[in-house]
Amino acid sequence: KQEVTQIPAALSVPEGENLVLNCSFTDSAIYNLQWFRQDPGKGLTSLLLIQSSQREQTSGRLNASLDKSSGRSTLYIAASQPGDSATYLCAVNGNQFYFGTGTSLTVIP
Amino acid sequence: DAGITQSPRYKITETGRQVTLMCHQTWSHSYMFWYRQDLGHGLRLIYYSAAADITDKGEVPDGYVVSRSKTENFPLTLESATRSQTSVYFCASRRDRTLEQYFGPGTRLTVT
Repeated sequence: KQEVTQIPAALSVPEGENLVLNCSFTDSAIYNLQWFRQDPGKGLTSLLLIQSSQREQTSGRLNASLDKSSGRSTLYIAASQPGDSATYLCAVNGNQFYFGTGTSLTVIP
Repeated sequence: DAGITQSPRYKITETGRQVTLMCHQTWSHSYMFWYRQDLGHGLRLIYYSAAADITDKGEVPDGYVVSRSKTENFPLTLESATRSQTSVYFCASRRDRTLEQYFGPGTRLTVT
């Protein structure tokens, strides 16, 4: 069974700082990896999708990378803002979607 | 509006009652999913469906029943609710070409 781990579980940074969130998975036989954002009491919003053949994807201040061979993905957030405060989840799509338990990010004004 | 919707958004029910959570998507995506989200466990797959009349079990299917008579609807039924089924339930659909998942807003279910 696929195991997905996200480290750290919580992160607090001052506004303007660049930061990296980590996601690791145990089975490299995946179709893609998707990063989501979840605000308290809300659903999941898709941020970036990286296909297994891709190395990275960018959207605005977000950049996600994928190293399938090592079972790792990172989400880089540039120039963080208080509005970035949320829980960030990665999901690995193999035969099924498997989610990490998330990183709770707080950006301090 | 196009998208994926869930109803009800909040539900309180008693142990032993039958409850049905509804999910509707307007994209005609083939795949649909039901997850539950619990503290300490993250999101876990309950059931999924590859097309109308095709469903399969996920990681935690016990106590749940699904059906999919139409592509756009994927209801989840708790036949006899238990307290351990208190959770937030999310429905999702997946774009056929890119395999990107889209989530509904969730249903917060409390079983007393």
